[in-house]
Amino acid sequence: DAGVIQSPRHEVTEMGQEVTLRCKPISGHDYLFWYRQTMMRGLELLIYFNNNVPIDDSGMPEDRFSAKMPNASFSTLKIQPSEPRDSAVYFCASSLSRERDTQYFGPGTRLTVL
Amino acid sequence: KQEVTQIPAALSVPEGENLVLNCSFTDSAIYNLQWFRQDPGKGLTSLLLIQSSQREQTSGRLNASLDKSSGRSTLYIAASQPGDSATYLCAALYNTDKLIFGTGTRLQVFP
Repeated sequence: DAGVIQSPRHEVTEMGQEVTLRCKPISGHDYLFWYRQTMMRGLELLIYFNNNVPIDDSGMPEDRFSAKMPNASFSTLKIQPSEPRDSAVYFCASSLSRERDTQYFGPGTRLTVL
Repeated sequence: KQEVTQIPAALSVPEGENLVLNCSFTDSAIYNLQWFRQDPGKGLTSLLLIQSSQREQTSGRLNASLDKSSGRSTLYIAASQPGDSATYLCAALYNTDKLIFGTGTRLQVFP
């Protein structure tokens, strides 16, 4: 398997623009997680899905953030409108089960909002 | 509040040294404790996962221990090499399904 795939790897946009980050989890994994990493706050869980259903979105910072998982092999994280404070590295991760298996992380998307 | 703390924040050692990275968590009701490695500009790579019922896990030169009662885990790296240079993160999984990450220890092993 190719591992968790994220696109784009880098995104530079201007404040106010819509940003869409994409993730393809490892085939067969039931859980998908979206994280954000910054120097100030470290790694934070934004939202996670189980069998394509959002389970906990309490980490989503504002209504400007939304995430979808239309099928088992694809998820998106959207920011609309984007702000400079959204600049961070966004990671997607997937796992087979909740307790016994580790999470496998994608390479991340480095987002810069000017 | 569930928090994970890692000490030290940074560590620089000569090649060949054995070293210990520390992780502490405030809530002992964990399902498992995981150690990850992160190279600059890259994602996280899982190193070891210790279930709450286990005391330790080993993989090659790495050994991770877990003491739930004291809220501590350690990652032991034997005979460190320059290729071990990276940031090491521990994370505790709770019944909320959330992995709570520590802020990491940045390790540099110099030749």
